[in-house]
This record gives sequence, structure tokens and C-alpha cells, in this order.
Amino acid sequence: SQTIHQWPATLVQPVGSPLSLECTVEGTSNPNLYWYRQAAGRGLQLLFYSVGIGQISSEVPQNLSASRPQDRQFILSSKKLLLSDSGFYLCAWSYRGSYNSPLHFGNGTRLTVT
Amino acid sequence: GQQLNQSPQSMFIQEGEDVSMNCTSSSIFNTWLWYKQDPGEGPVLLIALYKAGELTSNGRLTAQFGITRKDSFLNISASIPSDVGIYFCAGPNSGSARQLTFGSGTQLTVLP
Repeated sequence: SQTIHQWPATLVQPVGSPLSLECTVEGTSNPNLYWYRQAAGRGLQLLFYSVGIGQISSEVPQNLSASRPQDRQFILSSKKLLLSDSGFYLCAWSYRGSYNSPLHFGNGTRLTVT
Repeated sequence: GQQLNQSPQSMFIQEGEDVSMNCTSSSIFNTWLWYKQDPGEGPVLLIALYKAGELTSNGRLTAQFGITRKDSFLNISASIPSDVGIYFCAGPNSGSARQLTFGSGTQLTVLP
């Protein structure tokens, strides 16, 4: 069966510090990978998605970036965090090549920028 | 872009009551997905609907894909405390089936 791991679960970082959130998927190959942000417990905002190694599409211009160094690894980064970067970050995967494939989410990272 | 209008935004119900929530769109969707998010966790897929008119059940949950393809509803029968959470509808973005458009969510509270 497929599993998705996201870490850390919670993170408190000062403004201006760097960020690195990691997500890995097991039990499937060549998945589509996604980073979402959720503010105030509602409203899922798509940040990045990837259909393959090194292929990243950005949906929202901001000071965050994403990378996919391996097929089942997706990393969300920032060089300098802003207060507005606080939120709940969710990684997700779906089957590539399967039209309308549902997304499957990790358990999220709660980021608080102070 | 596409938008999903989900209602109600929040519900307070007594344990044992039935619940109904729905999603509507001005554009056609070829798939409707319903997710539940427990506090502090990621959304979990409850039901996936792929055909107009389709009615699918998952335990006490029942969801339907509207005939017009522009709406879907989710019903929960005989609610229990663990039904508490946020329920989201979602459908593939017409611009890219790899992406989902999400509704704004329905916050469900079950009172003992």
C-alpha cells in the first residue's frame, strides 16, 4: 500500500530564517506530487506541483520554492521566512497518467513564524 | 478559474442526526471527490464519484454526482462524535486534470 510521510509535524521559526520541509511517498512510482498551504483551518491553496524529477510548476509567486531531487521526494524551501508564511503545509500525491486521480495527503506540518 | 461553492460553511448538530452538505459549480466537473479533515491532520478521501448520477456509499456516508455535473452532495446518517471535522468537496481543474479545485469546506460539530 502507498504511504506518504511529511516532517516535521510542527515547526516554530523566526522571521528571516530558512525553511526546509520534506515529503516522501512509498509504495508507488512516478507519482504527481503537490504542496498545499492551508490557512486558518480552511481553504487549501495549491503552491507547487511536480510531474517528475526536477519538474516543478509554481501556482503562487512568493518566497517559497520546491524541489524534487528524487522520484518520491518533494521538498518545500524558503531562504527567508516571512510572518505571512505561517500556516499548515500539506504534501500530497496522485497517480501519474490516471485522469482525475484523487489526491492523497500527508498529515501536514504546522509552521509558525515568529 | 473554476470555483466550487460549498455549503453550509458550518453546522452544529446533535449526535444521531443526519447531515447534508453540498457543492455547486458554474462549470462542469467530470469527477467529484469528498474529503474529511480531522483537526491537525491532512484531508482523507471519503468518496470519489466519476459518473453523472452516480450514488455511492461508504458506511454511513452517501454522496451523489449531480446529473448536470455541476453539483454534488454528501450525506452523513446517524452522526457520531468522531464525524467532527472539516469536509471538503473537490474536482479536477479544467485547465489541468493533475490539479484539484477545492471547496471552502464545511465545519461539522457534533454535540453530545
